[in-house]
Amino acid sequence: AQSVTQLDSQVPVFEEAPVELRCNYSSSVSVYLFWYVQYPNQGLQLLLKYLSGSTLVKGINGFEAEFNKSQTSFHLRKPSVHISDTAEYFCAVSRVQGAQKLVFGQGTRLTINP
Amino acid sequence: DADVTQTPRNRITKTGKRIMLECSQTKGHDRMYWYRQDPGLGLRLIYYSFDVKDINKGEISDGYSVSRQAQAKFSLSLESAIPNQTALYFCATSAHLGTNTGELFFGEGSRLTVL
Repeated sequence: AQSVTQLDSQVPVFEEAPVELRCNYSSSVSVYLFWYVQYPNQGLQLLLKYLSGSTLVKGINGFEAEFNKSQTSFHLRKPSVHISDTAEYFCAVSRVQGAQKLVFGQGTRLTINP
Repeated sequence: DADVTQTPRNRITKTGKRIMLECSQTKGHDRMYWYRQDPGLGLRLIYYSFDVKDINKGEISDGYSVSRQAQAKFSLSLESAIPNQTALYFCATSAHLGTNTGELFFGEGSRLTVL
């Protein structure tokens, strides 16, 4: 079975500062990796995904993530955050082979302070 | 119009009442899911369906049941609601086998409060 651990439940940063949201996963098989974002009072939308190929993945709104197989990590980064990035961010994993079901981490609440 | 529509968006009910949350989608996807979101716990899978004749339990199915009425419709029922089922519920869809990567497309959520 797959599992995901998001190491920080809350991350406060100042506007225009860089941010990194950490995600580690556990799986005995090959996986796909995802980051979803949930803005206040909204559903989840896909931020970016790693399926194969380049380990550096770019997503919407200036976010990027790097897949590190040896460290089983998929950390999300943005070099300069904006107030509008305030949201909850979820890391998720699904297996490549077989019945793909998405398993989510606990979420990280990103708060941007002016 | 949203690709994945959930009704109702908000519901307050009392302990012991039967509640149905409905989901419909226009994405043409075969696979549909119900997740529950609780603060600090992320999203947990309640039930999923890979086609109309296929229903599977997720990690927290106790106290819930589902019905897949058509490819586009997947409803979640609480036969006798209890307060710890107060949560935000999400319906989601994904593509069929062969093109599926696990990526989900979500509705906007149904907030259920059980008093």
